[in-house]
Amino acid sequence: GALVYQYPRRTICKSGTSMRMECQAVGFQATSVAWYRQSPQKTFELIALSTVNSAIKYEQNFTQEKFPISHPNLSFSSMTVLNAYLEDRGLYLCGARPGQHAEQFFGPGTRLTVL
Amino acid sequence: AQSVTQPDARVTVSEGASLQLRCKYSYSGTPYLFWYVQYPRQGLQLLLKYYSGDPVVQGVNGFEAEFSKSNSSFHLRKASVHWSDSAVYFCALSAGGYKVVFGSGTRLLVSP
Repeated sequence: GALVYQYPRRTICKSGTSMRMECQAVGFQATSVAWYRQSPQKTFELIALSTVNSAIKYEQNFTQEKFPISHPNLSFSSMTVLNAYLEDRGLYLCGARPGQHAEQFFGPGTRLTVL
Repeated sequence: AQSVTQPDARVTVSEGASLQLRCKYSYSGTPYLFWYVQYPRQGLQLLLKYYSGDPVVQGVNGFEAEFSKSNSSFHLRKASVHWSDSAVYFCALSAGGYKVVFGSGTRLLVSP
């Protein structure tokens, strides 16, 4: 079956430091990878969408300078939260899809706490 | 632009009662629609999805949803809820691309 792994599952970082999280697709080729953030008590905001053979597209309020993303192959993606502050805390989900009209498979998320 | 609205932030039902969680979407074309569930401090799990065909789709754990193009809705239903169904439910839309848009979520509390 299609699975998406994310690690670490939980992480704590000091304010102003950076934290890298990873996403691994197993059982399918991740043609696209989307990174979402769920801030406390809120819904999922799309940070950016990375599609094979296209530039990574960031949503409004999110930038490459703050959330650099790497999508080097069809099974792996990583995102770094640079200079993390309190407002960056939350659950970061990776969603991977094998095709444009296919279901998006989600990982369990990386929960970021910023001290 | 595409959007998803879940008008009920919280819903409380008694165990064994029926359930409907509402979802309205905005998109001019034919959307791909999903319902996800998030249990406390966990990620997302897919309950069901609609791509085309029969407007009533069956999902896991006795959930079903009905797509209505005329009403731009995709309401989730369950005939008899269990206490373990307490969670946050998200309706989501994918509109002919890779982007998925989520609703704000509905927190379901099943009381004994």
